[in-house]
Amino acid sequence: DAGVTQSPTHLIKTRGQQVTLRCSPKSGHDTVSWYQQALGQGPQFIFQYYEEEERQRGNFPDRFSGHQFPNYSSELNVNALLLGDSALYLCASSPPSGADTQYFGPGTRLTVL
Amino acid sequence: AQRVTQPEKLLSVFKGAPVELKCNYSYSGSPELFWYVQYSRQRLQLLLRHISRESIKGFTADLNKGETSFHLKKPFAQEEDSAMYYCALNTGTASKLTFGTGTRLQVTL
Repeated sequence: DAGVTQSPTHLIKTRGQQVTLRCSPKSGHDTVSWYQQALGQGPQFIFQYYEEEERQRGNFPDRFSGHQFPNYSSELNVNALLLGDSALYLCASSPPSGADTQYFGPGTRLTVL
Repeated sequence: AQRVTQPEKLLSVFKGAPVELKCNYSYSGSPELFWYVQYSRQRLQLLLRHISRESIKGFTADLNKGETSFHLKKPFAQEEDSAMYYCALNTGTASKLTFGTGTRLQVTL
């Protein structure tokens, strides 16, 4: 089991563009959470998906949206990119039995120019 | 609102010295606290959580509700402990983690 995987590894976009990041959860996990980690900061919770629906959301604007597919994989979409969206985006998955046990992916580094 | 504070950005200790990474939290409910670690070029991984009261790699952490703290301790630091450590608070039943800004532990010879 490769654990949580994310693609792409790195991404460079310009202001105003849109981006889609992808995440495959660890085998057997059904819940996916997304975090944004700016340089020098801890991860900040964006939202969480369970049963293909957004279950919880952090303090992020509507430009940030997501989706979960029937196979539990997930996408994070960011529209109208701003320079401040430059960050490492982390995906974490958790199993049905213990939602508090989150396993993190390696992240996608997004740079907005 | 919930908050996690890790006052030290960098903690440098000698090999064999005791380690204490500080973490304070702010939350009105019943907290669940975690320590996550990120070694160089590796992903963020769970080190320990307070409900299991376990010791991982020699690290322990005790939840002190009176002082709202969850400090991470190890009696004798090893070189391989050098990493970034994050304290995190779970405030919901569905696992919404609030992280601190992290402390870089540097263990030198």
